[in-house]
Amino acid sequence: KAGVTQTPRYLIKTRGQQVTLSCSPISGHRSVSWYQQTPGQGLQFLFEYFSETQRNKGNFPGRFSGRQFSNSRSEMNVSTLELGDSALYLCASSYETGYAGNTIYFGEGSWLTVV
Amino acid sequence: GDSVTQMEGPVTLSEEAFLTINCTYTATGYPSLFWYVQYPGEGLQLLLKATKADDKGSNKGFEATYRKETTSFHLEKGSVQVSDSAVYFCALSPYNDYKLSFGAGTTVTVRA
Repeated sequence: KAGVTQTPRYLIKTRGQQVTLSCSPISGHRSVSWYQQTPGQGLQFLFEYFSETQRNKGNFPGRFSGRQFSNSRSEMNVSTLELGDSALYLCASSYETGYAGNTIYFGEGSWLTVV
Repeated sequence: GDSVTQMEGPVTLSEEAFLTINCTYTATGYPSLFWYVQYPGEGLQLLLKATKADDKGSNKGFEATYRKETTSFHLEKGSVQVSDSAVYFCALSPYNDYKLSFGAGTTVTVRA
């Protein structure tokens, strides 16, 4: 069974540009979430989608947005990039069990550098 | 809100030494608790989890017990190897929720 797949793995963008990152969850998983990892702030939750609806959102500015498609694949977009957006962006997926301890599986991440 | 506090690193050990990384949490209700590991240049891998009080999660020689009375989930391994060198994250998710709150991470280096 393939894991969570993220593309691209590495990218460099210029301040002011926008970027779109893609994530394919594990087959059968309908919950997809995104996290930002930086040396200063650690791992921070961005948002979570389930059945194409955003269910949960972290404390990030509106420049950060996402969406989920009917096949559960997800994209996140960052507009008007700032230097501080340089980070590892991690996508994660989970199977909706309705019980406690839903295991959340992570992809390898997309390394974004803003110059 | 929910939060996780784990011991500051870095931690440097010799091979076959005992490893313990402390983790405490603040949460309402009955969260699930996790340990994730991150190797250099990679994403997060689930190491182990526990979903209710007194549960013990274990994997690859690592263990952690969900202690509700002390709100703790300390990670232990009896004999570490060089290959255990990584960053370890303690995390929690509220009951039936998909938002993880992470600790700051503890860098562990094991020397041969």
